Amino acid sequence: DAGVIQSPRHEVTEMGQEVTLRCKPISGHNSLFWYRQTMMRGLELLIYFNNNVPIDDSGMPEDRFSAKMPNASFSTLKIQPSEPRDSAVYFCASSFGGSDGYTFGSGTRLTVV
Amino acid sequence: AQSVSQHNHHVILSEAASLELGCNYSYGGTVNLFWYVQYPGQHLQLLLKYFSGDPLVKGIKGFEAEFIKSKFSFNLRKPSVQWSDTAEYFCAVTRGSSNTGKLIFGQGTTLQVKP
Repeated sequence: DAGVIQSPRHEVTEMGQEVTLRCKPISGHNSLFWYRQTMMRGLELLIYFNNNVPIDDSGMPEDRFSAKMPNASFSTLKIQPSEPRDSAVYFCASSFGGSDGYTFGSGTRLTVV
Repeated sequence: AQSVSQHNHHVILSEAASLELGCNYSYGGTVNLFWYVQYPGQHLQLLLKYFSGDPLVKGIKGFEAEFIKSKFSFNLRKPSVQWSDTAEYFCAVTRGSSNTGKLIFGQGTTLQVKP
């Protein structure tokens, strides 16, 4: 199994541009999570899906952020328009109900200039 | 508010020293507990987890953690650290008996091991 796959690994964009981060969860996992990591705020849960349905998006910072999961094998996190304060590492994780824990992807390092 | 607290933000140890990192949570009821490690520039990896049963949990790389329900704690320990243990360590909690709920992280503890 290739694990949770995120793309791109690094993204540098200008303020105001749209940014789309992608995640492919582990096959068979039915829950997917998006986290943001910064020095100031640590690891923050942005949104999570169960069976492709958004369950809790209370962590999404504002309307500029949106996430979708059109099918069990793909999710996107979009920021439009992006701002410098969105610069962070964004992690995707997936899990399956049981005792396997959560598996994290390698993250996308986003820099907005 | 529901939270996970890690007492130490930055720990510096010499090789072969013993390690204990504190973690407390503020949820009542059933909880599932995790410790993750993040090596510099890498993603989070699961060290160990507790769902039920023996409150002393053994994980990878010689780490262990003890769940003390009365103290709402899940401290991480290692008898003898190595330079390669230099990393950031995160305690995390989910509520209930399912593994598909929200995983809430503590602030993290940076461990620096001096050779």
